[in-house]
Amino acid sequence: ILNVEQSPQSLHVQEGDSTNFTCSFPSSNFYALHWYRWETAKSPEALFVMTLNGDEKKKGRISATLNTKEGYSYLYIKGSQPEDSATYLCAFSAGNNRKLIWGLGTSLAVNP
Amino acid sequence: DVKVTQSSRYLVKRTGEKVFLECVQDMDHENMFWYRQDPGLGLRLIYFSYDVKMKEKGDIPEGYSVSREKKERFSLILESASTNQTSMYLCASGEGPMNTEAFFGQGTRLTVV
Repeated sequence: ILNVEQSPQSLHVQEGDSTNFTCSFPSSNFYALHWYRWETAKSPEALFVMTLNGDEKKKGRISATLNTKEGYSYLYIKGSQPEDSATYLCAFSAGNNRKLIWGLGTSLAVNP
Repeated sequence: DVKVTQSSRYLVKRTGEKVFLECVQDMDHENMFWYRQDPGLGLRLIYFSYDVKMKEKGDIPEGYSVSREKKERFSLILESASTNQTSMYLCASGEGPMNTEAFFGQGTRLTVV
């Protein structure tokens, strides 16, 4: 059974804090790891798609790393802002399967 | 600007009605997906399609069917709506083996009364 786990389930931080979340996925048959941000009343939007072990990607204050051998990815947010408040989802693609297996998400609330 | 468009943002239907949720994408993507999202359960795949007239069951297909007559359009059908199908429905599209990002519609909040 393919399972994607995210932790923590929810997080409250103060504006300016840096934070990180974890996504764990099966290490066998890896194809791609996706991170999405889902703001309330909007659609999920892709942050990163990573395919290679050791990949590191960055977009502004947000970055992600990937370890396919041990089956985890970290998402980092530096200097959190209230507009970063959202649910952060990760999804795993196995082999040449066209489906994405989704985690339950980490809900981030940034207090001003 | 790429777009996945769902036909309705909010819908209220009666138990037993046949319900159609429409999704259109303008990116010429091969793959299209229908998910439902419920609190505490995350995104659950109902059906997906990787080509015209092709469909595959996802994790929770019971009570649903789909239609993909044209590449850009993927319809989700609730044959006889029930209250346990009250949910947020999200359509998404993507390319190939999903090593590139998926694009989502704005979601349809369906309430079955």
